Amino acid sequence: AQKVTQAQTEISVVEKEDVTLDCVYETRDTTYYLFWYKQPPSGELVFLIRRNSFDEQNEISGRYSWNFQKSTSSFNFTITASQVVDSAVYFCALSEVPAAGNKLTFGGGTRVLVKP
Amino acid sequence: SQTIHQWPATLVQPVGSPLSLECTVEGTSNPNLYWYRQAAGRGLQLLFYSVGIGQISSEVPQNLSASRPQDRQFILSSKKLLLSDSGFYLCAWIGEAKDTQYFGPGTRLTVL
Repeated sequence: AQKVTQAQTEISVVEKEDVTLDCVYETRDTTYYLFWYKQPPSGELVFLIRRNSFDEQNEISGRYSWNFQKSTSSFNFTITASQVVDSAVYFCALSEVPAAGNKLTFGGGTRVLVKP
Repeated sequence: SQTIHQWPATLVQPVGSPLSLECTVEGTSNPNLYWYRQAAGRGLQLLFYSVGIGQISSEVPQNLSASRPQDRQFILSSKKLLLSDSGFYLCAWIGEAKDTQYFGPGTRLTVL
């Protein structure tokens, strides 16, 4: 069975600091997707990124960057120059391909608090 | 473009009362649909999912049920609410590509 672990339950930073969220996963499948979602105080889960297990290229989108390392089964997320609006709970998730119902396995989430 | 709606946004119900939460998706056909629950300060728990009309898979035994009467409509119900049913209920969909789940705005349910 698959598993996603986010060891950091809460991270507090001051605005403009960088913050890195760790995500470690377990799966027996060779083909899978990895995801990051953001949950702001409003509650809705916002999709940030999907990564295919065959694509280990790191990705950058504005202040967000993702480091996928298959060798260590990790998919870490960095927010550069954090802003107060980045305060949210961030979830890492895994979906095996193919999977019955295309279900997601979520990590427990990391709460990020960015102080002004 | 695709959009997902949930209502109501918030709900306060007494213990023992019935429940009906609705989720609809626009702009896509034959989506997979999902119901999740998130207790306060906790992670996401998948409750039900559906890969087609009338097809419901239950992930967690409980006093909740789900139905999919139309292709883009997913309903979460209970005949008698428990205190432990309080939480934030999220509906999600996945389209034809079957790769990414997108979530609705959620319903915050408080059972008193």
